[in-house]
Amino acid sequence: QVQLQQWGAGLLKPSETLSLTCAVNGGSFNNYYWSWIRQPPGKGLEWIGDITHSGNTNYNPSLKSRVTISVDTSKNQFSLKLSSVTAADTAVFYCAGAKYQLPIQYFVSWGQGSLVTVSS
Amino acid sequence: SSELTQDPAVSVALGQTVRITCQGDSLRSYYASWYQQKPGQAPVLVIYDRNNRPSGIPDRFSASTSGDTSSLTITGAQAEDEADYYCNSRDRSSNHRALFGGGTKLTVL
Repeated sequence: QVQLQQWGAGLLKPSETLSLTCAVNGGSFNNYYWSWIRQPPGKGLEWIGDITHSGNTNYNPSLKSRVTISVDTSKNQFSLKLSSVTAADTAVFYCAGAKYQLPIQYFVSWGQGSLVTVSS
Repeated sequence: SSELTQDPAVSVALGQTVRITCQGDSLRSYYASWYQQKPGQAPVLVIYDRNNRPSGIPDRFSASTSGDTSSLTITGAQAEDEADYYCNSRDRSSNHRALFGGGTKLTVL
């Protein structure tokens, strides 16, 4: 059973860079697409992007210019950086592990969520 | 279109059957997965692949697909099933974008 534990700064000022990290315990680190998903207060889920153990990334086109997802296989961790944040980026951010191979796509496990607030 | 569409809200009487639908072109290529989210909690996978339930998910949850529409069915809804439900798949184009429906708020009366 894959378990995810995430952490990072919870309060940012506009124009700063959001940084979150997710540690993976249990299961095989090589068998998933490691993903970041966010949820603004009172709204739905938005996929940000993902990365494989080998470093191959996919990004949401709407965020691609500001997002970097990286992986550290020596620690079974992956990270999210989102630059130039604004108040519109205020959300709960989740890390998740996905199984993805046509025709299958699902998020097997989720982190506990991190509320990130952007305010001056 | 590369979107998934869900009804914003659905209600069901306790013990009755309810269907939550998800419509999108991507569902012609990908099996929808379904997630339950209760207030203040992370989403939980309830259906994956064609119609599989993770360990611990009651068998009153099931899913089916016809054309571009996937349906999550709860047979004999319980009070604890009251939650938001999201469907998920991937974009059929080459950008590998994961898609979520807008979510359906299920009220158990």
